Amino acid sequence: DGGITQSPKYLFRKEGQNVTLSCEQNLNHDAMYWYRQDPGQGLRLIYYSQIVNDFQKGDIAEGYSVSREKKESFPLTVTSAQKNPTAFYLCASSIVPGAPNQPQHFGDGTRLSIL
Amino acid sequence: SQQGEEDPQALSIQEGENATMNCSYKTSINNLQWYRQNSGRGLVHLILIRSNEREKHSGRLRVTLDTSKKSSSLLITASRAADTASYFCATVLMDSNYQLIWGAGTKLIIKP
Repeated sequence: DGGITQSPKYLFRKEGQNVTLSCEQNLNHDAMYWYRQDPGQGLRLIYYSQIVNDFQKGDIAEGYSVSREKKESFPLTVTSAQKNPTAFYLCASSIVPGAPNQPQHFGDGTRLSIL
Repeated sequence: SQQGEEDPQALSIQEGENATMNCSYKTSINNLQWYRQNSGRGLVHLILIRSNEREKHSGRLRVTLDTSKKSSSLLITASRAADTASYFCATVLMDSNYQLIWGAGTKLIIKP
Protein backbone atom coordinates (compact mmCIF):
# COMPACT_ATOMS: atom_id res chain seq x y z
CA ASP A 1 0.00 0.00 0.00
CA GLY A 2 1.34 3.42 -0.93
CA GLY A 3 1.33 6.05 1.72
CA ILE A 4 3.19 8.31 4.10
CA THR A 5 4.83 6.93 7.23
CA GLN A 6 5.67 9.19 10.13
CA SER A 7 7.71 8.04 13.09
CA PRO A 8 7.74 7.96 15.98
CA LYS A 9 4.07 8.33 16.89
CA TYR A 10 5.00 9.91 20.24
CA LEU A 11 8.18 11.81 21.06
CA PHE A 12 9.42 13.52 24.18
CA ARG A 13 11.99 16.27 24.19
CA LYS A 14 14.19 17.39 27.02
CA GLU A 15 15.23 20.99 27.59
CA GLY A 16 17.95 22.05 25.14
CA GLN A 17 17.61 18.94 23.00
CA ASN A 18 17.14 18.69 19.26
CA VAL A 19 14.79 15.97 18.05
CA THR A 20 14.14 14.69 14.53
CA LEU A 21 10.78 13.55 13.19
CA SER A 22 10.82 11.11 10.30
CA CYS A 23 8.60 11.27 7.22
CA GLU A 24 8.84 8.73 4.41
CA GLN A 25 6.55 8.41 1.37
CA ASN A 26 6.33 5.76 -1.34
CA LEU A 27 3.79 7.61 -3.46
CA ASN A 28 6.46 8.97 -5.83
CA HIS A 29 5.28 12.48 -5.01
CA ASP A 30 7.55 15.41 -5.74
CA ALA A 31 6.23 17.85 -3.13
CA MET A 32 6.39 17.30 0.62
CA TYR A 33 5.20 19.46 3.53
CA TRP A 34 5.49 19.75 7.29
CA TYR A 35 2.63 21.20 9.33
CA ARG A 36 2.15 21.96 12.97
CA GLN A 37 -1.29 21.50 14.53
CA ASP A 38 -2.22 23.01 17.89
CA PRO A 39 -5.55 22.34 19.65
CA GLY A 40 -8.43 24.32 18.18
CA GLN A 41 -6.33 25.71 15.34
CA GLY A 42 -5.84 24.93 11.71
CA LEU A 43 -2.64 23.56 10.26
CA ARG A 44 0.29 25.91 9.98
CA LEU A 45 2.99 25.32 7.42
CA ILE A 46 6.54 24.93 8.75
CA TYR A 47 8.52 23.97 5.63
CA TYR A 48 7.84 22.56 2.20
CA SER A 49 9.92 21.02 -0.54
CA GLN A 50 9.05 20.84 -4.21
CA ILE A 51 12.09 18.92 -5.35
CA VAL A 52 15.06 17.04 -3.96
CA ASN A 53 17.75 19.26 -2.42
CA ASP A 54 15.43 22.26 -2.29
CA PHE A 55 13.03 23.47 0.40
CA GLN A 56 11.27 26.68 1.39
CA LYS A 57 10.24 28.20 4.70
CA GLY A 58 6.58 28.29 5.56
CA ASP A 59 4.80 30.58 7.97
CA ILE A 60 6.41 29.30 11.20
CA ALA A 61 9.88 28.02 10.24
CA GLU A 62 11.77 29.54 13.17
CA GLY A 63 13.22 26.87 15.45
CA TYR A 64 12.86 24.11 12.83
CA SER A 65 15.09 22.71 10.12
CA VAL A 66 14.58 20.19 7.30
CA SER A 67 16.50 18.34 4.62
CA ARG A 68 15.45 16.70 1.37
CA GLU A 69 18.28 14.47 0.24
CA LYS A 70 15.97 11.83 -1.22
CA LYS A 71 12.62 12.12 -2.94
CA GLU A 72 11.06 9.73 -0.46
CA SER A 73 12.25 11.37 2.75
CA PHE A 74 11.68 14.76 4.37
CA PRO A 75 12.83 14.72 8.02
CA LEU A 76 12.02 17.62 10.35
CA THR A 77 14.33 18.64 13.19
CA VAL A 78 12.84 20.55 16.09
CA THR A 79 15.74 22.48 17.54
CA SER A 80 16.26 23.81 21.05
CA ALA A 81 15.52 27.26 19.62
CA GLN A 82 11.85 26.27 19.31
CA LYS A 83 10.63 27.29 22.76
CA ASN A 84 7.11 25.93 22.47
CA PRO A 85 7.43 22.68 20.52
CA THR A 86 4.55 20.77 22.10
CA ALA A 87 2.17 20.05 19.22
CA PHE A 88 0.98 17.46 16.72
CA TYR A 89 3.23 17.41 13.64
CA LEU A 90 1.87 16.29 10.29
CA CYS A 91 3.78 15.45 7.14
CA ALA A 92 2.05 15.58 3.76
CA SER A 93 2.86 15.13 0.10
CA SER A 94 1.35 15.99 -3.25
CA ILE A 95 2.03 14.79 -6.75
CA VAL A 96 3.26 17.81 -8.63
CA PRO A 97 4.57 21.01 -7.12
CA GLY A 98 3.16 24.19 -8.49
CA ALA A 99 -0.10 22.59 -9.58
CA PRO A 100 -3.08 24.09 -7.76
CA ASN A 101 -5.60 21.29 -8.12
CA GLN A 102 -3.73 18.66 -6.21
CA PRO A 103 -4.93 17.19 -2.93
CA GLN A 104 -2.40 16.56 -0.20
CA HIS A 105 -1.87 13.13 1.34
CA PHE A 106 -1.06 12.95 5.03
CA GLY A 107 0.78 10.70 7.43
CA ASP A 108 -0.68 9.88 10.84
CA GLY A 109 1.37 12.44 12.69
CA THR A 110 3.89 12.63 15.52
CA ARG A 111 2.86 14.04 18.88
CA LEU A 112 5.75 15.90 20.48
CA SER A 113 5.77 16.75 24.18
CA ILE A 114 8.23 18.38 26.53
CA LEU A 115 9.65 16.45 29.47
CA SER B 1 -1.74 33.01 8.06
CA GLN B 2 -5.22 31.51 8.24
CA GLN B 3 -7.90 32.52 5.83
CA GLY B 4 -10.59 29.88 6.13
CA GLU B 5 -12.94 29.97 9.08
CA GLU B 6 -15.29 27.07 9.73
CA ASP B 7 -18.67 27.41 11.33
CA PRO B 8 -19.80 25.98 13.67
CA GLN B 9 -16.72 25.10 15.75
CA ALA B 10 -18.54 22.02 17.02
CA LEU B 11 -21.66 20.17 15.95
CA SER B 12 -23.43 17.25 17.63
CA ILE B 13 -26.29 15.47 15.87
CA GLN B 14 -28.15 12.16 15.92
CA GLU B 15 -27.17 9.37 13.59
CA GLY B 16 -29.17 9.56 10.39
CA GLU B 17 -29.50 13.35 10.43
CA ASN B 18 -27.76 15.62 7.95
CA ALA B 19 -24.72 17.65 9.02
CA THR B 20 -23.83 20.99 7.45
CA MET B 21 -20.55 22.79 7.97
CA ASN B 22 -19.59 26.15 6.54
CA CYS B 23 -16.30 27.72 5.55
CA SER B 24 -15.68 31.38 4.83
CA TYR B 25 -12.54 32.85 3.32
CA LYS B 26 -11.17 36.31 2.65
CA THR B 27 -9.33 36.49 -0.66
CA SER B 28 -9.85 35.10 -4.16
CA ILE B 29 -9.14 31.43 -4.47
CA ASN B 30 -8.09 28.94 -7.12
CA ASN B 31 -9.84 26.08 -5.38
CA LEU B 32 -11.19 25.00 -2.02
CA GLN B 33 -10.66 21.58 -0.46
CA TRP B 34 -12.34 19.72 2.37
CA TYR B 35 -10.51 17.24 4.59
CA ARG B 36 -11.51 14.95 7.44
CA GLN B 37 -9.39 14.17 10.49
CA ASN B 38 -10.20 11.36 12.88
CA SER B 39 -8.93 11.87 16.41
CA GLY B 40 -5.16 11.49 16.63
CA ARG B 41 -4.79 10.70 12.93
CA GLY B 42 -3.72 12.47 9.77
CA LEU B 43 -6.05 14.30 7.43
CA VAL B 44 -7.88 12.63 4.57
CA HIS B 45 -8.86 14.52 1.44
CA LEU B 46 -12.61 14.50 0.74
CA ILE B 47 -13.45 16.87 -2.11
CA LEU B 48 -11.80 19.63 -4.15
CA ILE B 49 -14.00 22.28 -5.76
CA ARG B 50 -12.56 24.70 -8.28
CA SER B 51 -13.41 28.41 -8.26
CA ASN B 52 -15.49 28.05 -11.44
CA GLU B 53 -17.60 25.24 -9.96
CA ARG B 54 -20.66 25.72 -7.80
CA GLU B 55 -21.44 22.24 -6.52
CA LYS B 56 -19.80 18.83 -6.30
CA HIS B 57 -20.96 15.50 -4.99
CA SER B 58 -19.12 12.46 -3.71
CA GLY B 59 -21.24 9.71 -2.20
CA ARG B 60 -23.03 11.19 0.82
CA LEU B 61 -21.01 14.41 0.58
CA ARG B 62 -22.17 17.56 -1.16
CA VAL B 63 -20.00 20.66 -1.38
CA THR B 64 -21.13 24.06 -2.60
CA LEU B 65 -19.06 27.11 -3.36
CA ASP B 66 -20.29 30.70 -3.55
CA THR B 67 -17.42 32.89 -4.68
CA SER B 68 -19.50 36.07 -4.42
CA LYS B 69 -19.96 35.41 -0.69
CA LYS B 70 -16.53 33.81 -0.33
CA SER B 71 -18.04 30.80 1.35
CA SER B 72 -18.41 27.05 0.99
CA SER B 73 -20.52 24.44 2.71
CA LEU B 74 -20.06 20.73 3.26
CA LEU B 75 -23.20 18.65 3.67
CA ILE B 76 -23.02 15.09 4.95
CA THR B 77 -26.31 13.31 4.42
CA ALA B 78 -27.64 10.40 6.48
CA SER B 79 -24.82 10.70 9.00
CA ARG B 80 -23.21 7.65 10.57
CA ALA B 81 -21.22 7.17 13.77
CA ALA B 82 -18.12 6.71 11.60
CA ASP B 83 -18.51 10.30 10.36
CA THR B 84 -17.47 11.54 13.82
CA ALA B 85 -14.32 13.56 13.10
CA SER B 86 -13.02 17.08 12.58
CA TYR B 87 -13.59 18.62 9.18
CA PHE B 88 -11.28 21.26 7.72
CA CYS B 89 -11.51 23.49 4.72
CA ALA B 90 -8.36 24.65 2.96
CA THR B 91 -8.01 27.18 0.19
CA VAL B 92 -5.48 27.61 -2.56
CA LEU B 93 -5.10 31.29 -3.32
CA MET B 94 -5.05 32.79 -6.78
CA ASP B 95 -1.59 33.77 -7.98
CA SER B 96 0.06 32.00 -5.09
CA ASN B 97 2.65 29.29 -4.83
CA TYR B 98 -0.30 26.92 -4.35
CA GLN B 99 0.11 26.43 -0.64
CA LEU B 100 -2.99 25.38 1.26
CA ILE B 101 -4.35 27.88 3.79
CA TRP B 102 -6.28 26.08 6.54
CA GLY B 103 -9.27 26.88 8.69
CA ALA B 104 -9.55 25.84 12.33
CA GLY B 105 -12.03 23.04 11.65
CA THR B 106 -15.47 21.87 12.75
CA LYS B 107 -15.65 19.04 15.26
CA LEU B 108 -18.56 16.78 14.32
CA ILE B 109 -19.99 14.25 16.77
CA ILE B 110 -22.60 11.75 15.60
CA LYS B 111 -24.62 10.30 18.45
CA PRO B 112 -25.82 6.73 17.94
